[in-house]
Amino acid sequence: DAMVIQNPRYQVTQFGKPVTLSCSQTLNHNVMYWYQQKSSQAPKLLFHYYDKDFNNEADTPDNFQSRRPNTSFCFLDIRSPGLGDAAMYLCATSRGLADPYNEQFFGPGTRLTVL
Amino acid sequence: QQQVKQSPQSLIVQKGGIPIINCAYENTAFDYFPWYQQFPGKGPALLIAIRPDVSEKKEGRFTISFNKSAKQFSLHIMDSQPGDSATYFCAATSNTGNQFYFGTGTSLTVIP
Repeated sequence: DAMVIQNPRYQVTQFGKPVTLSCSQTLNHNVMYWYQQKSSQAPKLLFHYYDKDFNNEADTPDNFQSRRPNTSFCFLDIRSPGLGDAAMYLCATSRGLADPYNEQFFGPGTRLTVL
Repeated sequence: QQQVKQSPQSLIVQKGGIPIINCAYENTAFDYFPWYQQFPGKGPALLIAIRPDVSEKKEGRFTISFNKSAKQFSLHIMDSQPGDSATYFCAATSNTGNQFYFGTGTSLTVIP
């Protein structure tokens, strides 16, 4: 089945130790998103790619970076994780403006713990 | 600034009841309004969505009511079941961008 896959599902890192989260998709969608979701809160958009075009949210800390080497893969790099970065990180995809319904599909998320 | 406002924050209903979750928006450019259901430890899953050219959409036990003039939309869950217990997010997007704006979520508990 076509889907959005995130690895790992659970990630434990130490304070200040760089970590990379991975997302892949078999939907061939143009847009890939990274969201941060803390407990009992709505997903917060960090950035998104439309093809290779990177779009950063104004309030996304510089500590968060992203790479999209090809259509299928997108990575979230946290350069120096702090305790406040512990959260669920959600990857999502959509066809983008080419799709009048622009349906968004989410992966299962990666739960990040910072010790 | 919260682009989409959602209420209530939490909701408890008896099995068979009809929980209603409300959302409101300001940006008239929004033209697609999805609802997501999220279970603990899982990513959100699209439940149902509506465009502003219709006032109501039904899919199974889930109905969206849309009031374009009031810039409000709501989710109704008919004959609610304990398995519907989850967090529900409304969202909005427009055809001028790829961003989705989420409401703050409603935690629904359906008591058997």
